[in-house]
Amino acid sequence: GGIITQTPKFLIGQEGQKLTLKCQQNFNHDTMYWYRQDSGKGLRLIYYSITENDLQKGDLSEGYDASREKKSSFSLTVTSAQKNEMAVFLCASSRLGGREEQYFGPGTRLTVL
Amino acid sequence: GDSVTQTEGLVTLTKGLPVMLNCTYQTTYSPFLFWYVQHLNEAPKLLLKSSTDNKRTEHQGFYATLHKSSSSFHLQKSSVQLSDSALYFCALSDQAGSALGRLHFGAGTQLIVIP
Repeated sequence: GGIITQTPKFLIGQEGQKLTLKCQQNFNHDTMYWYRQDSGKGLRLIYYSITENDLQKGDLSEGYDASREKKSSFSLTVTSAQKNEMAVFLCASSRLGGREEQYFGPGTRLTVL
Repeated sequence: GDSVTQTEGLVTLTKGLPVMLNCTYQTTYSPFLFWYVQHLNEAPKLLLKSSTDNKRTEHQGFYATLHKSSSSFHLQKSSVQLSDSALYFCALSDQAGSALGRLHFGAGTQLIVIP
């Protein structure tokens, strides 16, 4: 088994601030993902990475940057936080890609004042 | 492009009744479909998956059959329990046979089971 760790668990930011979210996995999975989930709604893919140093844009990449520093870690940066924004950011990983089960982390809850 | 449609945003049912959550998809590749479940304040988890036409897949009392003829992968259970209350996502894998693929998620169906 393995685990996905996301830090921080809660993130409060100010409008216009640059905010970074971190994700670590010990599954030794190749592919990692960042999703945004608005309250009670679906998952929207922001970025994903097939291997270390790879980066692929998802459907919601505008306003975000991502970095896959090493196989086990994948970070997401909100480049300029929007006022009153509230969402949960979920990190996930899978063994090879789209046809494999994705394992999700517990999420980072973002609130922008 | 690839897409998934879940027509019901909210389904409310009394305990013990059967349920069917709809999922239809569009893809130009050979489809690989998933159902994920997310309980309140938890991470989504895989419930079941399939790529085989007309074969029923089951897990934890839930079942689904991929029908390529109708591009559907509906989730069913014969008798819902209070613990089944959760958000259910249907998802489609693209890039058939490739490691480069990603999932396309539907908007989700919130299932609420009442006593």
